[in-house]
Amino acid sequence: GQQVMQIPQYQHVQEGEDFTTYCNSSTTLSNIQWYKQRPGGHPVFLIQLVKSGEVKKQKRLTFQFGEAKKNSSLHITATQTTDVGTYFCAYAISGGYNKLIFGAGTRLAVHP
Amino acid sequence: GAGVSQSPRYKVTKRGQDVALRCDPISGHVSLYWYRQALGQGPEFLTYFNYEAQQDKSGLPNDRFSAERPEGSISTLTIQRTEQRDSAMYRCASSRQALQETQYFGPGTRLLVL
Repeated sequence: GQQVMQIPQYQHVQEGEDFTTYCNSSTTLSNIQWYKQRPGGHPVFLIQLVKSGEVKKQKRLTFQFGEAKKNSSLHITATQTTDVGTYFCAYAISGGYNKLIFGAGTRLAVHP
Repeated sequence: GAGVSQSPRYKVTKRGQDVALRCDPISGHVSLYWYRQALGQGPEFLTYFNYEAQQDKSGLPNDRFSAERPEGSISTLTIQRTEQRDSAMYRCASSRQALQETQYFGPGTRLLVL
């Protein structure tokens, strides 16, 4: 099936540095969702983007959906140790319910 | 309010045994999803229930896997004749409505098949 590729697979930063993860698809997506999974935890929904070029912010997190709706990014400004975890993008296959197809995730480590 | 709960949290079994994994969704949530998550990977869709109806089972790997939600609440994922390749984290998620974007994931059941 259609895949979404996430890069990088892994990133470690110093606390206070910025972080960006990218999600790319070869085909147009109707929507993109982002989840955060803390170490040993479960995925937690962060946001959904549906419009071309959409930008949403949640405190230090900025989410973008590309103009062509084939890529998305999550940017964290001034990382904190609480940002540690794996960030997944996912898209929902339309069909009356939200069957989610996840990327492999970007694992973020933050060094104090 | 309680979130999604799953039991057992850990299950170790021998190859060839059957296992039953339970999911208790958030009360009132109509939609229930099962996913499987391998280490270092994102969750992989297995099956979907709308109330008690299993509307999509396209992600179940083979006929050893089955799921039910007889009363539209608690769901059970059963794996028969387990194999070592079935070892993974099995996660359940629920949402209030079918098209509500937010899925609430449970803590998962980590299955180890020896």
